[in-house]
Amino acid sequence: DVKVTQSSRYLVKRTGEKVFLECVQDMDHENMFWYRQDPGLGLRLIYFSYDVKMKEKGDIPEGYSVSREKKERFSLILESASTNQTSMYLCASSLLKGLAGTSSSYEQYFGPGTRLTVT
Amino acid sequence: GQQVMQIPQYQHVQEGEDFTTYCNSSTTLSNIQWYKQRPGGHPVFLIQLVKSGEVKKQKRLTFQFGEAKKNSSLHITATQTTDVGTYFCAGPGTGGGADGLTFGKGTHLIIQP
Repeated sequence: DVKVTQSSRYLVKRTGEKVFLECVQDMDHENMFWYRQDPGLGLRLIYFSYDVKMKEKGDIPEGYSVSREKKERFSLILESASTNQTSMYLCASSLLKGLAGTSSSYEQYFGPGTRLTVT
Repeated sequence: GQQVMQIPQYQHVQEGEDFTTYCNSSTTLSNIQWYKQRPGGHPVFLIQLVKSGEVKKQKRLTFQFGEAKKNSSLHITATQTTDVGTYFCAGPGTGGGADGLTFGKGTHLIIQP
């Protein structure tokens, strides 16, 4: 059974703290993604990685950084947490699309999410 | 950048009624995916459509991809309480490289018994 796990389901941090969110997948997927989900805004991509030590900015990278030292692990870092970063954070993984011109994409497998509250 | 618009945002139905959610893109999509998120859960992949005019069925769920590959719909026949949740469409994104997805904002399906 495929699995994406996240280090915490709930997290409460104070403004200005450094926050680490960890994600691990056991499917040997090349791609890993971090999204945040807010009411009325859907899922928005923060960062993604297609290989170890590689990272690409998504739609809303400001205030975040990421680390991928091992293929199975992708970390999201909030250098100095702020109240507007209170949100549900979802990690996902997928196979690498690869071939140019292919119409299909691979499905993404999501973790259970971390609900972060910054006070 | 590419946007995927989804309507309605909320849909209340009586159990047994049908439900439809619509997804529209400003650009032609090479494919579109649909996900379901139960309350308190995480998004789970339902299906991918690739061909122009494609129609796929999963039991009471019917998925369509428009001829111009700019719109898609999900129709549920005779809703049941197990259908409750948020349904998202997603197209290949410009953010996140070739493998990223751009999600619609989702349609929340609320079923009244």
